[in-house]
Amino acid sequence: DTEVTQTPKHLVMGMTNKKSLKCEQHMGHRAMYWYKQKAKKPPELMFVYSYEKLSINESVPSRFSPECPNSSLLNLHLHALQPEDSALYLCASSQAGGEKLFFGSGTQLSVL
Amino acid sequence: LAKTTQPISMDSYEGQEVNITCSHNNIATNDYITWYQQFPSQGPRFIIQGYKTKVTNEVASLFIPADRKSSTLSLPRVSLSDTAVYYCLVGPDSNYQLIWGAGTKLIIKP
Repeated sequence: DTEVTQTPKHLVMGMTNKKSLKCEQHMGHRAMYWYKQKAKKPPELMFVYSYEKLSINESVPSRFSPECPNSSLLNLHLHALQPEDSALYLCASSQAGGEKLFFGSGTQLSVL
Repeated sequence: LAKTTQPISMDSYEGQEVNITCSHNNIATNDYITWYQQFPSQGPRFIIQGYKTKVTNEVASLFIPADRKSSTLSLPRVSLSDTAVYYCLVGPDSNYQLIWGAGTKLIIKP
């Protein structure tokens, strides 16, 4: 199994809603990532978990809250988002070294 | 800090070989060079990775000169399904950070 599975594929939420994005991998990878991608731009790193511990938090607003319940699962909790947060949110995983990333198909998020 | 620069767009025709060059003048000693392919509304997909000289796999080749300040992704005999955005990356550093290029939109015509 070389897949990273993300749910949901699409999400529309209001600025007062709370929602969560989910990501799962069964490749035994020990690093998992959240990226944000705006249209016609490369992905931007948001968070990195290494061995289930948060390693990197790229100055992301607190309305985004990551969680890594175990080595196979990664969540991104969303609360009080702004319209400018609308984007494709990508989950990825890699071996601990991080040289080769496996990406999920992403969640297309629209904030109204 | 390393930065990657690649052409914004390229056109080619089915059956041709396509070469996309990326410059990364300030690449660090430990950095790998990696290329990803991305279709609309999908996550990027790993194509090929190298450190120096030439690497070849079933879908592409990667040419890296001795000074490693640039690299060239070569796609042999492209088809319409190769129309996508191709990203050049260098890294990762000790913080898992990768430096992404802006992407090259490749359009393959019949």
